[in-house]
Amino acid sequence: GAVVSQHPSWVICKSGTSVKIECRSLDFQATTMFWYRQFPKQSLMLMATSNEGSKATYEQGVEKDKFLINHASLTLSTLTVTSAHPEDSSFYICSASARQGFTEAFFGQGTRLTVV
Amino acid sequence: DAKTTQPPSMDCAEGRAANLPCNHSTISGNEYVYWYRQIHSQGPQYIIHGLKNNETNEMASLIITEDRKSSTLILPHATLRDTAVYYCIVRAHNTGTASKLTFGTGTRLQVTL
Repeated sequence: GAVVSQHPSWVICKSGTSVKIECRSLDFQATTMFWYRQFPKQSLMLMATSNEGSKATYEQGVEKDKFLINHASLTLSTLTVTSAHPEDSSFYICSASARQGFTEAFFGQGTRLTVV
Repeated sequence: DAKTTQPPSMDCAEGRAANLPCNHSTISGNEYVYWYRQIHSQGPQYIIHGLKNNETNEMASLIITEDRKSSTLILPHATLRDTAVYYCIVRAHNTGTASKLTFGTGTRLQVTL
């Protein structure tokens, strides 16, 4: 199957700082990428839809100014958590789908963010 | 997307078949049944999907009832590495672009020795 890579796998940052998470499609072009967040013992919750070359679409209740998404190319989307606080500590996961041909979504390995 | 209902947890002995049920009584005619799993601290992994016929691949089999209101994912010979949360998701195919997935609570499968 297609490969989606996230970086970093884990990160610890201080309160008030910003953290950038990268999501790359390694062997296909992804016109659309999705960002999910997962708190311990909970299911994945969709945060936003990232479209190449246009603004991201955020789910209700997700602050677009806090979670900045950039999808500048067909193989890279980034999520920046700005002014991070301990309550932002979570597991962030991206997924990507190709323009055509794929009927299933492929997920990155996730990024564990801990804000101290 | 239609709502799905899964048991919260199941146990299975290693080497035995694991049968994971899913109810999707409000499924529409153009909606597929998808199964993903999530091993602890990893991203979800695609397993299998189907519309109305039974499907089989190297990972699992998917049995969909004739009325399509429920399905069963079968792992024929479960191993310890199959311990994970299994998600049953119903969605229509979108031509040309991806569609986002709505994850329920899934079934936590524990495979034991």
